[in-house]
Amino acid sequence: DTEVTQTPKHLVMGMTNKKSLKCEQHMGHRAMYWYKQKAKKPPELMFVYSYEKLSINESVPSRFSPECPNSSLLNLHLHALQPEDSALYLCASSQSGQAEQYFGPGTRLTVT
Amino acid sequence: AQSVTQLDSQVPVFEEAPVELRCNYSSSVSVYLFWYVQYPNQGLQLLLKYLSGSTLVKGINGFEAEFNKSQTSFHLRKPSVHISDTAEYFCAVSDHTGFQKLVFGTGTRLLVSP
Repeated sequence: DTEVTQTPKHLVMGMTNKKSLKCEQHMGHRAMYWYKQKAKKPPELMFVYSYEKLSINESVPSRFSPECPNSSLLNLHLHALQPEDSALYLCASSQSGQAEQYFGPGTRLTVT
Repeated sequence: AQSVTQLDSQVPVFEEAPVELRCNYSSSVSVYLFWYVQYPNQGLQLLLKYLSGSTLVKGINGFEAEFNKSQTSFHLRKPSVHISDTAEYFCAVSDHTGFQKLVFGTGTRLLVSP
């Protein structure tokens, strides 16, 4: 099973709202990733968690706050977002020592 | 640091024709190479990967790619495309560190028409 699930599928939020995106995998992978993808662009890495610890933060604004409660779950907490943050947010996972990342279907976020 | 170039932003092709999507990379260290496909409003699906070994790599849906170290290329090919192959294709590279940081190309839109 190479499935990564993400909820919700779509999210519309105002600039003063607080919301969270959720990602889950049951492949025993020890690395999990958040990417942001704008229309007609490649995904851009935001965060990497390895063994439930944040290992890479690509200078993402603090209005995005990642959390890894356990090895299967990854959350992205959103607060005071801007309209330009509207994008497809993708989660991925990979097994320790292996290279390929498996992506979820994404959450389409619209900030109004 | 690595970089990936996909020179063709869009490739139109007729159904059942062969296709090649080009990918060139730049890196000062050994790399892993990947092709991902993204259908509209979906996430990325791994088509194939080159980690080591045979330079001809076969993937899902009849796709294959050849790693050419001297030309720093990893072109994707399919001998006969279907309408359902219409999608965005991303080439990506990572180095051999513990948890790979994927660097993506800008993508190639494959448009298959009847």
